[in-house]
Amino acid sequence: DADVTQTPRNRITKTGKRIMLECSQTKGHDRMYWYRQDPGLGLRLIYYSFDVKDINKGEISDGYSVSRQAQAKFSLSLESAIPNQTALYFCATSVASLLAGGPPEQFFGPGTRLTVL
Amino acid sequence: DAKTTQPPSMDCAEGRAANLPCNHSTISGNEYVYWYRQIHSQGPQYIIHGLKNNETNEMASLIITEDRKSSTLILPHATLRDTAVYYCIVRARPYNQGGKLIFGQGTELSVKP
Repeated sequence: DADVTQTPRNRITKTGKRIMLECSQTKGHDRMYWYRQDPGLGLRLIYYSFDVKDINKGEISDGYSVSRQAQAKFSLSLESAIPNQTALYFCATSVASLLAGGPPEQFFGPGTRLTVL
Repeated sequence: DAKTTQPPSMDCAEGRAANLPCNHSTISGNEYVYWYRQIHSQGPQYIIHGLKNNETNEMASLIITEDRKSSTLILPHATLRDTAVYYCIVRARPYNQGGKLIFGQGTELSVKP
């Protein structure tokens, strides 16, 4: 079974609708992240959470909100979807730090392809 | 975090070593070099990282030059399943913005039969 899962995998919605993307992990990691990927732009960080009580904005948080319901669950919401939020969305997790040094690697889910018409 | 430069694309014959270069001439002393890859719209996958010593794991080897201004990811025996976009990322420890990974354009590696 996958360590990081995302639901739904694909979603088509209309402008103005509220959408929730869900992420669950069985890795026991404290840190979770939401990224979006647009063609030619790489991945950009939307929100991140260091633990259940810690939520932080990333570089492109406008139009999005998140909820960390438990250590294993991190949801991303689009309150009123617009067409330029059409993208591939990835959830990722990591431990807090590495004993051997260096920022810890992130483990990504399979992605959610969202289309806003 | 230091900026990285990678060739946009490379080809490699199946079974041969794939050598993917990365330039990070502005890297500072506390910044690590990380490599991830993304296979056709799947989630990015961590490959390897290093600070100044060469590193090897079950997936690849990482060679970092002595001045740390460039590095090379080596896939010793490339297979068709290694066809992907490979990202070289430089990150500091401690790091800003919760460990944001700054993905550049990467190198699109095509492994051909």
